[in-house]
Amino acid sequence: GQQLNQSPQSMFIQEGEDVSMNCTSSSIFNTWLWYKQDPGEGPVLLIALYKAGELTSNGRLTAQFGITRKDSFLNISASIPSDVGIYFCAGIYTNAGKSTFGDGTTLTVKP
Amino acid sequence: DAGVTQSPTHLIKTRGQQVTLRCSPKSGHDTVSWYQQALGQGPQFIFQYYEEEERQRGNFPDRFSGHQFPNYSSELNVNALLLGDSALYLCASSAGQPTDTQYFGPGTRLTVL
Repeated sequence: GQQLNQSPQSMFIQEGEDVSMNCTSSSIFNTWLWYKQDPGEGPVLLIALYKAGELTSNGRLTAQFGITRKDSFLNISASIPSDVGIYFCAGIYTNAGKSTFGDGTTLTVKP
Repeated sequence: DAGVTQSPTHLIKTRGQQVTLRCSPKSGHDTVSWYQQALGQGPQFIFQYYEEEERQRGNFPDRFSGHQFPNYSSELNVNALLLGDSALYLCASSAGQPTDTQYFGPGTRLTVL
């Protein structure tokens, strides 16, 4: 079945640094999503991408839908302590009705 | 505007028992999906309900079943619980089209002893 490879698995950065993480798949997706999950909470949607090549920003977050439709990346600029959490990518294939998730990137920000 | 709500928050069961988890979708949403999230992993799709019927199903055994009510709320039932069923169970709602963005509830933490 479809599988997403998310990297890196974890990151330890200093406050103020920029962060980059990515997600690759052997299958194409029609929608790419990026979520953040805090401990004890459900994933919260950060950015949704609907078109190959699309670049979308949400504050300090920027995500891109790869032109091959098999990958996506998320950048966080000028990280702050509240950016700490687990970031998940997810892909949706048209009419599949489900999101396929990566295993997450755990981000730690040191003040 | 209430988001997705789930109950209970935590649950402890023993092997062989049965469990029912509940979900109320975000206002205006008519589609509910259920996911299982094991520790250290991403959510895994169980199934999706739309118009009170199962529309899509992931690779989960028949011990996992569900139901959607006319008010769009949903239940997830798991029979004959195994230790490996211990996980965070997430409910997500969306507006109806298969590719519509899903919004997640806080989850129910199930522990099977």
